[in-house]
Amino acid sequence: DAGVTQSPTHLIKTRGQQVTLRCSPKSGHDTVSWYQQALGQGPQFIFQYYEEEERQRGNFPDRFSGHQFPNYSSELNVNALLLGDSALYLCASSPAGTARLDFGEGSRLTVL
Amino acid sequence: QQPVQSPQAVILREGEDAVINCSSSKALYSVHWYRQKHGEAPVFLMILLKGGEQKGHDKISASFNEKKQQSSLYLTASQLSYSGTYFCGTEIGDYKLSFGAGTTVTVRA
Repeated sequence: DAGVTQSPTHLIKTRGQQVTLRCSPKSGHDTVSWYQQALGQGPQFIFQYYEEEERQRGNFPDRFSGHQFPNYSSELNVNALLLGDSALYLCASSPAGTARLDFGEGSRLTVL
Repeated sequence: QQPVQSPQAVILREGEDAVINCSSSKALYSVHWYRQKHGEAPVFLMILLKGGEQKGHDKISASFNEKKQQSSLYLTASQLSYSGTYFCGTEIGDYKLSFGAGTTVTVRA
């Protein structure tokens, strides 16, 4: 039974570029949440998708957008990258009716 | 609003005990505890629902005081494998977890 999978695992971009990160949730999970984790900090909530809709959003600018597909997989898009966007981006999935999260290994983004 | 964790870091010798605290200014529906080892994803340890229950995971247990909106994680007879950063995640009933800054635990032989 596969857990949460994310791709790519590492990527390097330059300021101003755009990036797309992908996530496949754990089997049986229909809710996907995205978190940003800067070095030495706790995960910060970006947004959550359920039934292909953004259900909740954290305090992140509109440069951060997402999508959920009918098979529950999800994408995180970040436009006009800034140096401060360098972080580990974690995708987490959960079944309906619970906040318990199963995390993927993350995508480490470096912006130069 | 993010929960507040204390202490920021703790160093233990094998076999020693430690307590990590997590507090929130909001009325909580549940508290979740995760452990993250260096370079890895956070791993779920346990969830506590409002009702003041206490749970355990091997020799790691936790309590939730809903009147004070506080939770504590107890590491008993610590093992080398307990090293890592512990995060509490709090939920107010909206299926969204807000995480604290974490407590780094180092267990030495």
